[in-house]
Amino acid sequence: DAKTTQPPSMDCAEGRAANLPCNHSTISGNEYVYWYRQIHSQGPQYIIHGLKNNETNEMASLIITEDRKSSTLILPHATLRDTAVYYCIVLNSGYALNFGKGTSLLVTP
Amino acid sequence: NAGVTQTPKFRILKIGQSMTLQCTQDMNHNYMYWYRQDPGMGLKLIYYSVGAGITDKGEVPNGYNVSRSTTEDFPLRLELAAPSQTSVYFCASSYSSLVYGYTFGSGTRLTVV
Repeated sequence: DAKTTQPPSMDCAEGRAANLPCNHSTISGNEYVYWYRQIHSQGPQYIIHGLKNNETNEMASLIITEDRKSSTLILPHATLRDTAVYYCIVLNSGYALNFGKGTSLLVTP
Repeated sequence: NAGVTQTPKFRILKIGQSMTLQCTQDMNHNYMYWYRQDPGMGLKLIYYSVGAGITDKGEVPNGYNVSRSTTEDFPLRLELAAPSQTSVYFCASSYSSLVYGYTFGSGTRLTVV
């Protein structure tokens, strides 16, 4: 699986959009980009995933660059409950998730 | 649906003791996983299974054993507990790693003293 690089921490004001970047320059053509988050001491929670196209669901949007070497997770209106560690993972089928340290997002009032 | 259920939620073991962490899922998922998470760190894969009767080692399998006799259950066995095994253990399952997201249990916090 391709390696990912994320900033260790970010801040965001409540109500504003949170944009979390992820670099995955060695991604191969059949590898998906997955995002998970872990709210303090809980099990990780699936957010969204994508291959090439931008994706949106009720939780977030995922923007993948045309060359697929980086992506951005967007939480359009961050709330205090979005404070968590966010993991960007690149995965092919048949393999388990490999979590790095992720980005610790702090949403402030 | 209960999803992924882990028991116990907390446990204190003495060095050298053994125990089994239980994990059950009711979603008919083929894939199941055990991760551990040390304080301030990401999750590390211990063992995984792609179906009943099939298991394989992950990144940190030493000191652990698993079995998968049914689709629903994936217990993790600790033999001769050591302080280095103090961690939070998460079980997860998925129907397919490619299409569907993983579902995680709420974790077991284990302390070895």
